[in-house]
Amino acid sequence: AQRVTQPEKLLSVFKGAPVELKCNYSYSGSPELFWYVQYSRQRLQLLLRHISRESIKGFTADLNKGETSFHLKKPFAQEEDSAMYYCALSGSSSASKIIFGSGTRLSIRP
Amino acid sequence: EPEVTQTPSHQVTQMGQEVILRCVPISNHLYFYWYRQILGQKVEFLVSFYNNEISEKSEIFDDQFSVERPDGSNFTLKIRSTKLEDSAMYFCATSEGGYSYEQYFGPGTRLTVT
Repeated sequence: AQRVTQPEKLLSVFKGAPVELKCNYSYSGSPELFWYVQYSRQRLQLLLRHISRESIKGFTADLNKGETSFHLKKPFAQEEDSAMYYCALSGSSSASKIIFGSGTRLSIRP
Repeated sequence: EPEVTQTPSHQVTQMGQEVILRCVPISNHLYFYWYRQILGQKVEFLVSFYNNEISEKSEIFDDQFSVERPDGSNFTLKIRSTKLEDSAMYFCATSEGGYSYEQYFGPGTRLTVT
């Protein structure tokens, strides 16, 4: 079964504290893994994807195929990081659909 | 920066009525998708569309749903006879294709069926 699991509905941390949003997946084959973010009143936008191995806005995510995980991390949270974060996967073809996790709401406390 | 646009932003309709949700893709994009999100639930894939054909559809996308690109610009989702459970946020997404798998999402249309 193709599935993305985000165990935390809500994560609240203090500004400056480290952040880790958990994501596990189930997929037969080699998926593309993504993190999408939705800031308040804005559209879904791609934050990062595993194949680019970039750090965006200080966030990184490492694909662990053994544990089938793709956790999102940031060493020092900022207030502007407060948003809804969705882990997602797709197949490796141009027309592949995206399968989303249920999302984690990240709240950064001042 | 080019963006995907959707109209209307909010649609209220009575059960049994037909609705058409519209999306204007980014101009050089070739792949089009509809997703929906029922309040409190995850974003779910409905259908993908390429070269004027459906590429893939989910089990949600039954005979009540249809998609088309009538004029080469707009990409529409039609629900023939709406049900209460069709109330959701509907997102259009488009991608360039080729080696780019990034899908760009529109702001969504909130459909309320009463």
